[in-house]
Amino acid sequence: AQKITQTQPGMFVQEKEAVTLDCTYDTSDQSYGLFWYKQPSSGEMIFLIYQGSYDEQNATEGRYSLNFQKARKSANLVISASQLGDSAMYFCAMRESSSGGYQKVTFGIGTKLQVIP
Amino acid sequence: SQTIHQWPATLVQPVGSPLSLECTVEGTSNPNLYWYRQAAGRGLQLLFYSVGIGQISSEVPQNLSASRPQDRQFILSSKKLLLSDSGFYLCATKRSDRGTYGYTFGSGTRLTVV
Repeated sequence: AQKITQTQPGMFVQEKEAVTLDCTYDTSDQSYGLFWYKQPSSGEMIFLIYQGSYDEQNATEGRYSLNFQKARKSANLVISASQLGDSAMYFCAMRESSSGGYQKVTFGIGTKLQVIP
Repeated sequence: SQTIHQWPATLVQPVGSPLSLECTVEGTSNPNLYWYRQAAGRGLQLLFYSVGIGQISSEVPQNLSASRPQDRQFILSSKKLLLSDSGFYLCATKRSDRGTYGYTFGSGTRLTVV
């Protein structure tokens, strides 16, 4: 089964509007974490936001917020007041426990967001 | 803060030729290091990770190998490239500036095998 599912291959949003990018996950761990990364056309991966499985409040970072619904195993990214510079690929990812002392992170296939002027 | 240097930025190599991609990390010691590959239009696939000098673990069997000759140096290699090795290769380390979760990534190497 897919660990991270992003069902929206592409999304369009009008500039200054809000947009929600969907992400569902699958894990049997009690302790895990969820991330969102932005990848512009240059290819660099930019960390946006993190939510721990025990965090009761939804994470927020400026215009980004993570809508965490633990029972539904969803971790949607909400971008408020979209800007042209938000056009990029967005990846949802999950950190799980692992042996061997390393952090195991699994990425979804991404959603391409295009902001329309 | 951490910085990851990757080079080269782009590379076009013929099938059957060798490969060496280098990644170095600044601003941290004894980092966990990772090589990911992103095929066109796909997510990131973990190839190798290393928790210390000389310690390499492979996540998927493939035509590639990795080495860690120094604490902050991670090298991805191949003796003979295949067409399927084309992709965007990213080196990463665990972030240290915001808790202990997530990665800092390098700027990546775009490899095209022709």
